[in-house]
Amino acid sequence: ETGVTQSPTHLIKTRGQQVTLRCSSQSGHNTVSWYQQALGQGPQFIFQYYREEENGRGNFPPRFSGLQFPNYSSELNVNALELDDSALYLCASSSRDRWAYEQYFGPGTRLTVT
Amino acid sequence: DAKTTQPPSMDCAEGRAANLPCNHSTISGNEYVYWYRQIHSQGPQYIIHGLKNNETNEMASLIITEDRKSSTLILPHATLRDTAVYYCIVRARIYNQGGKLIFGQGTELSVKP
Repeated sequence: ETGVTQSPTHLIKTRGQQVTLRCSSQSGHNTVSWYQQALGQGPQFIFQYYREEENGRGNFPPRFSGLQFPNYSSELNVNALELDDSALYLCASSSRDRWAYEQYFGPGTRLTVT
Repeated sequence: DAKTTQPPSMDCAEGRAANLPCNHSTISGNEYVYWYRQIHSQGPQYIIHGLKNNETNEMASLIITEDRKSSTLILPHATLRDTAVYYCIVRARIYNQGGKLIFGQGTELSVKP
């Protein structure tokens, strides 16, 4: 069983730029959630995708957007980067069609905005 | 989803049991208690969940009080690799619906030799 993978591992961007982060779900999972984790804080929910549609969103501005593909992989896009966007971005996959609702997290992408 | 309260940090001697408490006094009847942990610079890892009965798996045991207002995660024989931040999360578990996990600050467990 393949786990959740994310790319890239680390990324450095300049304020105002745009970034795309990628996530591959665990085999058999059809739901992907994205979280932002600032240094010293717990992860904060950004949004979730199920069957290629956004299904729930946290308190994040529209410049945070995402996509889910037919193979259930996903992208997180952030436009007009701000310094406060520097964080660890985590992707988690789960199976929405089962009682089991455990989310399995990837290793994260560390984004630094300068 | 109900709010949880955890101590910010705890120490445990290697080989001893680590008992991590969590208060969730506003938990409602359909809400489960989930535990995740996050080892430094890694993604959170699911540990265990329960509704009202005590649960055990290969990683840990979960003890939920009868009134369900608090719970304890037990790592029976802590090792140095168990050093991590442990998050207690309360949420409803609804079939065929997605949802977010609300992480608090968690408990930073340090296992010492």
